[in-house]
Amino acid sequence: SQTIHQWPATLVQPVGSPLSLECTVEGTSNPNLYWYRQAAGRGLQLLFYSVGIGQISSEVPQNLSASRPQDRQFILSSKKLLLSDSGFYLCAWVPQGFHYGYTFGSGTRLTVV
Amino acid sequence: GESVGLHLPTLSVQEGDNSIINCAYSNSASDYFIWYKQESGKGPQFIIDIRSNMDKRQGQRVTVLLNKTVKHLSLQIAATQPGDSAVYFCAEINNNDMRFGAGTRLTVKP
Repeated sequence: SQTIHQWPATLVQPVGSPLSLECTVEGTSNPNLYWYRQAAGRGLQLLFYSVGIGQISSEVPQNLSASRPQDRQFILSSKKLLLSDSGFYLCAWVPQGFHYGYTFGSGTRLTVV
Repeated sequence: GESVGLHLPTLSVQEGDNSIINCAYSNSASDYFIWYKQESGKGPQFIIDIRSNMDKRQGQRVTVLLNKTVKHLSLQIAATQPGDSAVYFCAEINNNDMRFGAGTRLTVKP
């Protein structure tokens, strides 16, 4: 069966520090991968999606970047975190060819202090 | 897909009562709808879905109703339990594009 892993589960980082969140999917090949952010008490904001290795689409211009170095690995990064980057980050996957019905990871709670 | 960044509406119900969570969707051409449940500190999980050629679908203790005339979707939870406390999101899909609703926070009182 397919599983999705995100880590770390929680992270507290100072303003100006770098960020690297990792997401991996097991049990499937060539999935579509997504990064979402969820601010406290708010809905889901799509940040990035990828339909293949090295292919990244950005939905919202911001302080973050994404990379897909391997088929089932999706990384969310920042060179210098801002206070406004705090939130709950979710990775999701769906079979190639679909863009809905995601399976979400367990999320990373990022607090920038 | 993405959702509008609004503060979440809340619904508080007594344990054992039925819950009804509502969602207004935006695109009359949307042809597939999903309800997700998100518990605190976890990722959203699929609950139930419905296609636009249906107006009702039932699962275990959950029922989704679709009213295409007014672009309204509802999730009914029977005999609500403390474990049902969570944020519930609807999602509408049109032409492979998925958009989430802002979500409703359900709190179950013992």
